[in-house]
Amino acid sequence: AQSVTQPDIHITVSEGASLELRCNYSYGATPYLFWYVQSPGQGLQLLLKYFSGDTLVQGIKGFEAEFKRSQSSFNLRKPSVHWSDAAEYFCAVEGNTDKLIFGTGTRLQVFP
Amino acid sequence: GAVVSQHPSRVICKSGTSVKIECRSLDFQATTMFWYRQFPKQSLMLMATSNEGSKATYEQGVEKDKFLINHASLTLSTLTVTSAHPEDSSFYICSARPRTGEDEQYFGPGTRLTVT
Repeated sequence: AQSVTQPDIHITVSEGASLELRCNYSYGATPYLFWYVQSPGQGLQLLLKYFSGDTLVQGIKGFEAEFKRSQSSFNLRKPSVHWSDAAEYFCAVEGNTDKLIFGTGTRLQVFP
Repeated sequence: GAVVSQHPSRVICKSGTSVKIECRSLDFQATTMFWYRQFPKQSLMLMATSNEGSKATYEQGVEKDKFLINHASLTLSTLTVTSAHPEDSSFYICSARPRTGEDEQYFGPGTRLTVT
């Protein structure tokens, strides 16, 4: 069965510091992978996605993610975090069922 | 482009009443729409998948008679919570997949349902 694990429930960083949010997936083949961001009381905004090709994917707002098949990981990174990045981040996988399976999310807090 | 709206954004209803939530794709046609439920500080759980003109497919554990889904057109899907109870209070989010066959789903802003 497909599943997504986000090991970090809550991360706190200082503004300007680098960020890495972890995501591990379970799927037999190469999945479609996504990172979404959700601000309080809002829907989801797509940051980036990986379908195939280059394993380093660039997204919006300065985010990037790297697909590592050997580690079944798709970690999200940003070199310098801004206060406006404080939000909930969800990793998701889509397999052959066309359904998105979400991780439990990581809440990012940014201190000035 | 690729905007999905939901109405209402917030609704409070009394226990035992029914509530309808609309999900619209504003600038594209969507063959498939998805309904998710999100409990406070938790992840999104897929409730059902609806395709235009056919019955919705519900995930295991979701009561189809309680959560009625109608995908009336290529731009509109509705979720009706029937005989609502306080435990149905939640954040309901829809998403839509374009008819063009893109793999991406576009999400609505969500509807906060509170049942008193």
